[in-house]
Amino acid sequence: DAGVIQSPRHEVTEMGQEVTLRCKPISGHNSLFWYRQTMMRGLELLIYFNNNVPIDDSGMPEDRFSAKMPNASFSTLKIQPSEPRDSAVYFCASSFRTSGSVEQFFGPGTRLTVL
Amino acid sequence: GQQVMQIPQYQHVQEGEDFTTYCNSSTTLSNIQWYKQRPGGHPVFLIQLVKSGEVKKQKRLTFQFGEAKKNSSLHITATQTTDVGTYFCAGGTGGFKTIFGAGTRLFVKA
Repeated sequence: DAGVIQSPRHEVTEMGQEVTLRCKPISGHNSLFWYRQTMMRGLELLIYFNNNVPIDDSGMPEDRFSAKMPNASFSTLKIQPSEPRDSAVYFCASSFRTSGSVEQFFGPGTRLTVL
Repeated sequence: GQQVMQIPQYQHVQEGEDFTTYCNSSTTLSNIQWYKQRPGGHPVFLIQLVKSGEVKKQKRLTFQFGEAKKNSSLHITATQTTDVGTYFCAGGTGGFKTIFGAGTRLFVKA
């Protein structure tokens, strides 16, 4: 298995532009998580899905952020409009949620820079 | 809200010295996970603890889960340069949510 796939790996954009980050979870996994990592705030959970349904989006910082999971093999995180303070590494993670295991598999991340 | 505190924030050790990072939750956890993130990399799952008082070992790494299921520790014996990175604990709340600690960044001097 290729693991969790994220694209793009790096994104540089200007303030006010729309940014879309993409994630392909590991096949067969039923839970998907979006995290944001910065030096100041550490690793923050933004939103997570179970069986393609958003379960908790309380970590989404503002209405500028939105996430979708149209099917089991694809998810997007969109920022519109982007701001410099959104600069961070965004990780997608997936897991196969069972009663005994909660191991999350992280993708390589997307490094976002908003100028 | 529910928090998972992790200390220390940084630790510098000489190769061969031991290292410990501690994790404390404001509430009882259903499980605790530990992850390692190498510089420039992504978090990688190390282990999960579920039972009260549980102790697990992986070679030079020893993981403990407190009796009250509110605290945990990771101890590395005789650190090596390959141990460099940030170690995160992550507390499971019983649902799907996992709350990550801020991480302890380990520096190992050869």
